[in-house]
Amino acid sequence: DIQMTQSPSSLSASVGDRVTITCQASQDINTYLNWYQQKPGKAPNLLIYDASNLETGVPSRFSGRGSGTYFTLAISSLQPEDIGTYYCQHYDDVPYTFGQGTKLELK
Amino acid sequence: QVQLVESGGGLVKPGGSLRLSCAASGFAFSDYFMVWIRQSPEKGLQWLSYISPTSSYITYTDSVKGRFTISRDNAKNSLYLQMNSLRADDTAVYYCARRKIDAFDIWGQGTTVTVSS
Repeated sequence: DIQMTQSPSSLSASVGDRVTITCQASQDINTYLNWYQQKPGKAPNLLIYDASNLETGVPSRFSGRGSGTYFTLAISSLQPEDIGTYYCQHYDDVPYTFGQGTKLELK
Repeated sequence: QVQLVESGGGLVKPGGSLRLSCAASGFAFSDYFMVWIRQSPEKGLQWLSYISPTSSYITYTDSVKGRFTISRDNAKNSLYLQMNSLRADDTAVYYCARRKIDAFDIWGQGTTVTVSS
């Protein structure tokens, strides 16, 4: 199985900050990588698909980059509603696996 | 609106069975691959299974293979997960989700399964 490793595990930032979360795959997954945001008590919500494509309705302050084994999710200017846990997920082959999550909090 | 609603979770003893259901509305259910995903504090998010629109293609993660069965009824816009031989480590919130271009773009609210004696 492909292992997905996110860093950091938690992050504290201020409103307006630029925030970057990284995700590393244990083997080359091309651009077969999605990002989700999850708020407490809710299901995950798709933000980015195919490494860099913004899902419809997601604010343009979110962006994704990367290919191969190294990927990043960036928030250009953190807003209070961006607080939650972020997950990467590959779809190179089954089983699709998720990263362990990055919990983003307000400083 | 586009919606998925799971049901069927609950408390079950080890070795027992449960059948989860997922009712879809607001989109052409029969056009999409559908998946089951679960989440627990111990294992995080775990993809379990997917099923193709006509049920021709079905696959499972190893930990549930032989114990869980995914199925769908396109006439009823419904997805199912039959879970047998349940173990304590199957305790989780179970989500159904729509697969669009290999991303899970619509999720249900989740249903909780607790396996305990």
